[in-house]
Amino acid sequence: QLQLQESGPGLLKPSETLSLTCTVSGGSITNSRYYWGWIRQSPGKGLEWIGHIYYSGSTYYNPSLHSRVTIFVDTSKNHFSLKLTSLTAADTGVYYCASQYDSTGYSFIFDSWGQGTLVTVSS
Amino acid sequence: DIQLTQSPSFLSASVGDRVTFTCRASQGIGTYLAWYQQKPGKAPKLLIYAASTLQTGVPSRFSGSGSGTEFTLTISSLQPEDFATYYCQQLNNYPFTFGPGTKVDIK
Repeated sequence: QLQLQESGPGLLKPSETLSLTCTVSGGSITNSRYYWGWIRQSPGKGLEWIGHIYYSGSTYYNPSLHSRVTIFVDTSKNHFSLKLTSLTAADTGVYYCASQYDSTGYSFIFDSWGQGTLVTVSS
Repeated sequence: DIQLTQSPSFLSASVGDRVTFTCRASQGIGTYLAWYQQKPGKAPKLLIYAASTLQTGVPSRFSGSGSGTEFTLTISSLQPEDFATYYCQQLNNYPFTFGPGTKVDIK
């Protein structure tokens, strides 16, 4: 069973850049059946999938955030990270990382989630 | 993006009740749908994927059905630990999207 844990600062100012890391334990981030994703949750927009990365570095981002988001992976540390630039109050919310199992003949199964980390954007 | 709507938004029920909630997609998504349970302060927990496949470890009182644009999640006999918010998610098209949720509370 995979365990995921988010880490990073909880309070940022408008226009700053958010950097979060998700550390994976209980399995290797280079497992070829998994992608690694970020999801956020805010009172205003509910649950929003931000994007995912494969261990090779291949990514897909939600177009709504595409110009501001980067996801990258460090296989040597078994973790992946999120960078979100030009923050506004609308980026306030709980950020989750999740494992996305690539199921043959289906799609992704979001089978393990981190506990989430609250990010507040305020001046 | 594919929009998901869920009904009802809120549901009051008693322990032992059979409850059913609905998720509708703005366009056909086959059976590329998942259901999650979320309790306050916790991450969503996967219950069902591929519209009707129970995730390992999830009690059999949970079941899902549907295809295309209309899906249902049923709890056959509501237990105290089932009071939570339930979300659907479509995985047919990028970007993956979630419904707004159905909150189940105690009558």
